[in-house]
Amino acid sequence: GENVEQHPSTLSVQEGDSAVIKCTYSDSASNYFPWYKQELGKRPQLIIDIRSNVGEKKDQRIAVTLNKTAKHFSLHITETQPEDSAVYFCAARLMNRDDKIIFGKGTRLHILP
Amino acid sequence: EPEVTQTPSHQVTQMGQEVILRCVPISNHLYFYWYRQILGQKVEFLVSFYNNEISEKSEIFDDQFSVERPDGSNFTLKIRSTKLEDSAMYFCASRAGTSGGTYNEQFFGPGTRLTVL
Repeated sequence: GENVEQHPSTLSVQEGDSAVIKCTYSDSASNYFPWYKQELGKRPQLIIDIRSNVGEKKDQRIAVTLNKTAKHFSLHITETQPEDSAVYFCAARLMNRDDKIIFGKGTRLHILP
Repeated sequence: EPEVTQTPSHQVTQMGQEVILRCVPISNHLYFYWYRQILGQKVEFLVSFYNNEISEKSEIFDDQFSVERPDGSNFTLKIRSTKLEDSAMYFCASRAGTSGGTYNEQFFGPGTRLTVL
């Protein structure tokens, strides 16, 4: 089955700097890669996603890249702000009828003042 | 904006007791899911449900677990005899059917924190 690896487990960056989180997946059939932000005690919230036919996608300060050949995908947050502090999960999903989401282990992002 | 809701927000139970976690998916959604998250760990898939039957289940979803859609609105997860290691946050999710070949987003509920003593 699918396995998603995520690094680093913890990341501290100065406010205003960029943060990068990297993931790899194992199942080449996965075709959709969402990223979730989870604040303490809250539900995972989808913040951006990318489909396998696209190499890069950007939404304001957030961008994702996908390398299908290497089975790597990354989240980039620029000009980080205090409210970016949270746990971020990458995930892989096979968009068939069942389409379960397989999550990575998460990255705890701390934005330092 | 419609949301997935879950009750209770926190459930405390004794080991060996049965618990039922309840979810109300978004009303026009057709696909339903349960995930769990042990404190400090990743979110794990438990089961998917469509057309009144289980579509897929993970190895976590053993004979102690069952799901049901008893009426047109609720989607429940039952744990027959809880164990200490069942303590976790349980998230329900739902999604609409495909549209134009596009699979839609799964929307997560706020979760039920289950504590087994």
